[in-house]
Amino acid sequence: GAVVSQHPSWVICKSGTSVKIECRSLDFQATTMFWYRQFPKQSLMLMATSNEGSKATYEQGVEKDKFLINHASLTLSTLTVTSAHPEDSSFYICSASFTGLQYFGPGTRLTVT
Amino acid sequence: AQTVTQSQPEMSVQEAETVTLSCTYDTSESDYYLFWYKQPPSRQMILVIRQEAYKQQNATENRFSVNFQKAAKSFSLKISDSQLGDAAMYFCASSGNYGGSQGNLIFGKGTKLSVKP
Repeated sequence: GAVVSQHPSWVICKSGTSVKIECRSLDFQATTMFWYRQFPKQSLMLMATSNEGSKATYEQGVEKDKFLINHASLTLSTLTVTSAHPEDSSFYICSASFTGLQYFGPGTRLTVT
Repeated sequence: AQTVTQSQPEMSVQEAETVTLSCTYDTSESDYYLFWYKQPPSRQMILVIRQEAYKQQNATENRFSVNFQKAAKSFSLKISDSQLGDAAMYFCASSGNYGGSQGNLIFGKGTKLSVKP
């Protein structure tokens, strides 16, 4: 139980385009989901917290207009990277809260060329 | 504010031996959780063990146990009978405890564990 999926697992996009990453809780409903970013050989950094039906709360230094987060249902949160640049290339991981714990998705590798 | 510090970027252990990974933390939360996560090459985050700060008893999960020293703000992970599959990046993390719900996770920089056959 408590499985979280992400789609796609790997995406390559051209600089200036937008890309959407989906995070789904497959067997539970998640009021709260979290988005993290992990650069190579570094730790996970929280980007934002999303609550179903309300605006996401972004961490300091994260551009809310660049990283659009939507949590429209209890099983789906999306992260859209707008006008992507090579420096946005990273590993993006979501997690979803269930019974008080966070369960992580497998991550999405974004490469911007 | 919360900070988590892992002072060992890399550690190595012989198969079947015991290794201890160190972690110190600081938090302004009145109640909180501490965690150890494992990230293998697949990069899937796997929860190894969780400690509730109000519990004095150290958490254990099979071969994994912690030494939680609340006053010293120390939270080390001991892996006994190390196996080749234990090789991974290990992250120490903390979060607030809000009525049993886990808040935002703050991660340390990680310790890369190698297991020698």
